[in-house]
Amino acid sequence: KNQVEQSPQSLIILEGKNCTLQCNYTVSPFSNLRWYKQDTGRGPVSLTIMTFSENTKSNGRYTATLDADTKQSSLHITASQLSDSASYICVVSDGGGSQGNLIFGKGTKLSVKP
Amino acid sequence: NAGVTQTPKFRVLKTGQSMTLLCAQDMNHEYMYWYRQDPGMGLRLIHYSVGEGTTAKGEVPDGYNVSRLKKQNFLLGLESAAPSQTSVYFCASSARGVDEMYEQYFGPGTRLTVT
Repeated sequence: KNQVEQSPQSLIILEGKNCTLQCNYTVSPFSNLRWYKQDTGRGPVSLTIMTFSENTKSNGRYTATLDADTKQSSLHITASQLSDSASYICVVSDGGGSQGNLIFGKGTKLSVKP
Repeated sequence: NAGVTQTPKFRVLKTGQSMTLLCAQDMNHEYMYWYRQDPGMGLRLIHYSVGEGTTAKGEVPDGYNVSRLKKQNFLLGLESAAPSQTSVYFCASSARGVDEMYEQYFGPGTRLTVT
């Protein structure tokens, strides 16, 4: 069964610190992997999209890595800010169907404290 | 550009009532999607559309109907609401399919409670 597992479920860090969120997937075939940020009470916002041939992709202070061999991805946040407090969702597309099935993880809830 | 908008933002229904959620996008996107988000679960696809006049079932379509009469609008209908449909509903759009690396843009969500 196609699954996307994220860890940790929740994380608390101090402002200015770095952190790394993990995503393991068992989706096959694999088309692309996405990271979304979802603020409380808002819709998800895309951070990065990567294909199997891309190892790293950055978006400002956010850097995503992908190891297609081990089926693992990580999202690294540098010099965290209070506005980084949100849920971060890992999503994998299996490329199936006309809409490319997206399998969503449950998210990691990040809290950045002053 | 407003992006993706959803109406209403909140709604409380009694079991058996019906309602329609409206999604509108001003980006001329071909693809539109309806998801539901429940506590402790990832987003799940209800229905989607690959263009004006088309609709297709997603992962959890039972109890919902959709229509895409105009390219910019995607309507989600609940004919006879049930407590199990209490959820937050998100609409999204993309220029092309997500398997082609196109970004999805999400609306702000509709929080629906069925009592």
